[in-house]
Amino acid sequence: SQTIHQWPATLVQPVGSPLSLECTVEGTSNPNLYWYRQAAGRGLQLLFYSVGIGQISSEVPQNLSASRPQDRQFILSSKKLLLSDSGFYLCAWSTLPGQGLATNEKLFFGSGTQLSVL
Amino acid sequence: SQQGEEDPQALSIQEGENATMNCSYKTSINNLQWYRQNSGRGLVHLILIRSNEREKHSGRLRVTLDTSKKSSSLLITASRAADTASYFCAADHKGGYQKVTFGTGTKLQVIP
Repeated sequence: SQTIHQWPATLVQPVGSPLSLECTVEGTSNPNLYWYRQAAGRGLQLLFYSVGIGQISSEVPQNLSASRPQDRQFILSSKKLLLSDSGFYLCAWSTLPGQGLATNEKLFFGSGTQLSVL
Repeated sequence: SQQGEEDPQALSIQEGENATMNCSYKTSINNLQWYRQNSGRGLVHLILIRSNEREKHSGRLRVTLDTSKKSSSLLITASRAADTASYFCAADHKGGYQKVTFGTGTKLQVIP
């Protein structure tokens, strides 16, 4: 069965420090991968998505970046964290239903990383 | 903004009552999905409705879609205390972009 691993669960980092959050998926191949950020009590903001290795689409200009070095690995990074980077970061994956349909019908989410930048 | 809007932002009802949440989106979509999030956790997929469908049922869930108004609603019937959570709609955007964006969410509290 498919599973998604996201770690760490909680992270406290000082302003100006680097960041690396990793997400890996098991049990599926060529998934679409997503990074979202959720501010406290708010909706999900799409940060990055990827449809294949090395293919990254950025939705919001900011000091974060994403990479997909392997098919089932998605990494969120920052060289220097800002206070405004605090939030709940969620990784998700989906696969296309096939039959030529380019639609995402179900996203599977990791358990999230609560990042506090102090 | 990439996000759709949901209303109400918060809803408090008694157990056994029905809960209705609404969602509006901005672009053409392939489908509209609804998710549930318990506090501090990841989201769980509840139900999907495709752009050529108007209504869908799954257990106590009923979702409607009006593409002319770019809006959707989720109805939870006979609510239970365990339904307490935040609910989000998500739009799968048309155009081959493969991106999925979420609404702002409705926080539902069901009082036993």
